[in-house]
Amino acid sequence: GEDVEQSLFLSVREGDSSVINCTYTDSSSTYLYWYKQEPGAGLQLLTYIFSNMDMKQDQRLTVLLNKKDKHLSLRIADTQTGDSAIYFCAENPTGKLIFGQGTTLQVKP
Amino acid sequence: AAGVIQSPRHLIKEKRETATLKCYPIPRHDTVYWYQQGPGQDPQFLISFYEKMQSDKGSIPDRFSAQQFSDYHSELNMSSLELGDSALYFCASSPSTGLGNRYTEAFFGQGTRLTVV
Repeated sequence: GEDVEQSLFLSVREGDSSVINCTYTDSSSTYLYWYKQEPGAGLQLLTYIFSNMDMKQDQRLTVLLNKKDKHLSLRIADTQTGDSAIYFCAENPTGKLIFGQGTTLQVKP
Repeated sequence: AAGVIQSPRHLIKEKRETATLKCYPIPRHDTVYWYQQGPGQDPQFLISFYEKMQSDKGSIPDRFSAQQFSDYHSELNMSSLELGDSALYFCASSPSTGLGNRYTEAFFGQGTRLTVV
């Protein structure tokens, strides 16, 4: 995703918090998304945030949006081994999703 | 709850053959999207349909074509297959509010893994 950038890898210990960061370029995106992909599986929509919001919390997930800097982050509290997956952020400036490269989250026991 | 159904889950084809991938959206979803995800890559948008009409086109090769049928299911037809077409092909559906409008949620199927040998 040339318009959406993420760091490629993050390793945390079980029970710690994970923060996955993403920058995007198109400020016209109405919504910004986080998807989770486990090995060999499809894309699971985790959460999304409306571009007029700066924070959204959903159980262990907290999404922060800095629209001025076009920066999006996903915080996973109390990270579990089952959270190990690739996390994609995505924007939709024209009705189709544009994904970042994905961040591989490794959770160590 | 019903999800997006894709078939087949796995497909092996030889070079220059033809493949057809099918997608059955969530009931009452009128918009379908196709994405291609190469190994270690992010999903790339191919094409979308709203109410049986093509609504947007991305990096879809001319060798590929797609359509949405009256029951809203969609098929992606791929001809003259090349080794580089080996990828995971995802279909997603959403209850779009209209052509070009921005949806809130898109739900993905499990994907079809196409291997071209």
